[in-house]
Amino acid sequence: VHLVQSGGEVKRPGATVRISCKTSGYTFSDYFMHWFQRAPGEGLEWMGLVDPEDGKTFYSSNFQGRVTITADTSTDTVYMDLTSLRREDSATYYCAVTSYCTSITCPPDYWGQGTLVAVSS
Amino acid sequence: SSDLTQPPSVSVSPGQTAAITCSGDRLGDKFACWYQQRPGQSPVLVIYQDDKRPAGIPERFSGSASGNTATLTISGTQAMDEADYYCQAWGSSAVLFGGGTKLTVL
Repeated sequence: VHLVQSGGEVKRPGATVRISCKTSGYTFSDYFMHWFQRAPGEGLEWMGLVDPEDGKTFYSSNFQGRVTITADTSTDTVYMDLTSLRREDSATYYCAVTSYCTSITCPPDYWGQGTLVAVSS
Repeated sequence: SSDLTQPPSVSVSPGQTAAITCSGDRLGDKFACWYQQRPGQSPVLVIYQDDKRPAGIPERFSGSASGNTATLTISGTQAMDEADYYCQAWGSSAVLFGGGTKLTVL
């Protein structure tokens, strides 16, 4: 299982960032893909997930309304869009997949390398 | 503030046992898992469903749960175990996270 994320980004406040997560090594539609945030000096935070089989999503209330997670089954890639960026969104973002379990409550066991997003004017 | 409570830091001597707790009112009937994150690296799942170890995780990592508290235990702690550890549980319509514990191996 391999998850390769897109490169770092620098964005202005109010902008939107899109991060991609290209997957390989497993059947893409079989397992949920999660996204997490780790801001400097802060802990890990779960943002949401997508079921690539049908595109259904589930978001954390902390990001509801600003995050959109989509899955492209033609390229086995998942995308995470975060809108209305603010300085406190400066963080490393990770995609992560649960490869051993098809339940939505099973935590992910494979992680991408992380994508650093800096929000600055 | 986090949904689950962890001690901010735990210190342990090499070869000794480290225990990191995770507690929360809503933890009792849910499975807990634990992630390890070393500086500059992606998180690693070390325990899931309270006490199960993913493939490749050393046997010195173990988990347990009782009531509203889950515990990660590292036996024979090694210098390479120095990292931040996070507990997580799936609540009703939400993912619960602890604030993280910095494990220092002195």
